[in-house]
Amino acid sequence: QKEVEQDPGPLSVPEGAIVSLNCTYSNSAFQYFMWYRQYSRKGPELLMYTYSSGNKEDGRFTAQVDKSSKYISLFIRDSQPSDSATYLCAMIQGGSEKLVFGKGTKLTVNP
Amino acid sequence: SAVISQKPSRDICQRGTSLTIQCQVDSQVTMMFWYRQQPGQSLTLIATANQGSEATYESGFVIDKFPISRPNLTFSTLTVSNMSPEDSSIYLCSIGGDTEAFFGQGTRLTVV
Repeated sequence: QKEVEQDPGPLSVPEGAIVSLNCTYSNSAFQYFMWYRQYSRKGPELLMYTYSSGNKEDGRFTAQVDKSSKYISLFIRDSQPSDSATYLCAMIQGGSEKLVFGKGTKLTVNP
Repeated sequence: SAVISQKPSRDICQRGTSLTIQCQVDSQVTMMFWYRQQPGQSLTLIATANQGSEATYESGFVIDKFPISRPNLTFSTLTVSNMSPEDSSIYLCSIGGDTEAFFGQGTRLTVV
């Protein structure tokens, strides 16, 4: 079993839709959970990170962590064509410098 | 946030040859990281490069295949040696590690 599982999609939604992106993981030592956005031909850029369980909101984006289920989600409200990108989840153990990534989900928001 | 410049942005290489990828950061950093992003696969850490010491390689990656240099606190190179088509991938350098990692734009390598 891979440490981090992420459905690669692709996911296609109409503009204005609510998007839900998810990852599951197997390593209970992960403490920090990140979401990166990667546009075509660009490097990943950090969207949000959360520590431990709970929700974190930033504008149209909400990150959710459920450590009991080993499940994390990223919700995008009122999705825009500019949100079209690949979204990667990443996780890290406390005290470690090593990020473990999911495969990424390719999202297309159609105008 | 840091500015990370990576060169070349893409290249097409013959099998059996080597390619050196450069990564320049606009500030001094202790650790730099090299990742590989294969089609349909997770971003995978190749090695961690500290200035003044040998790079630390992850399982499945060896120095003979991916030699790394780290001559100062703002610069690193990754060489992909004796390339085969299986090395076709995107290679990315990164700084920050933990919760605030920053990435270069990547080098898209195609081996023919």
